[in-house]
Amino acid sequence: QKEVEQDPGPLSVPEGAIVSLNCTYSNSAFQYFMWYRQYSRKGPELLMYTYSSGNKEDGRFTAQVDKSSKYISLFIRDSQPSDSATYLCAPNYGGATNKLIFGTGTLLAVQP
Amino acid sequence: KAGVTQTPRYLIKTRGQQVTLSCSPISGHRSVSWYQQTPGQGLQFLFEYFSETQRNKGNFPGRFSGRQFSNSRSEMNVSTLELGDSALYLCASSDFLGNYGYTFGSGTRLTVV
Repeated sequence: QKEVEQDPGPLSVPEGAIVSLNCTYSNSAFQYFMWYRQYSRKGPELLMYTYSSGNKEDGRFTAQVDKSSKYISLFIRDSQPSDSATYLCAPNYGGATNKLIFGTGTLLAVQP
Repeated sequence: KAGVTQTPRYLIKTRGQQVTLSCSPISGHRSVSWYQQTPGQGLQFLFEYFSETQRNKGNFPGRFSGRQFSNSRSEMNVSTLELGDSALYLCASSDFLGNYGYTFGSGTRLTVV
């Protein structure tokens, strides 16, 4: 079993839709949870990070972590064509164990 | 503020050769991590350096090595290249703990022929 599971998609939605991206993980030692966005031929870009369980909102983006069920979500409201990219979840152990475990990424296409 | 700079952007090498990739982190960041990205395996952690010391290591063979200099710049080396080493190699920098995220460079695209 992989430590982080993510549906690879592709996920295609119309502009303005609410997008839900999800990951599950197996290691309860993960403390920090990050979402990265990667455009084609670019490096990943940090979108959101969350510590432990709970929600965090930043503009059109909301990250949600449920440690009891080991489930991570990213919601995008009012999706735009510029949101078309691969979204990667990446839990981190925290402390000095600086090692991100990435999900496979979900390819999102927002149609104008 | 300059981002993470990786050089070169593209490389083509022959099987059996060795290659060195370079990474300059964000000013003030002392942690540099390296990742390999392939279509089949996704992003996989190679190793992490902090203050010139390797602090964490992933599950890659000894052909993959790295080092960090006193100015925090880092290099990774792959010896005896194999076709399967063709990938995008990404460098990321962070503060001491990295709990608040990592900043990635644009990567070096290595093709082994």
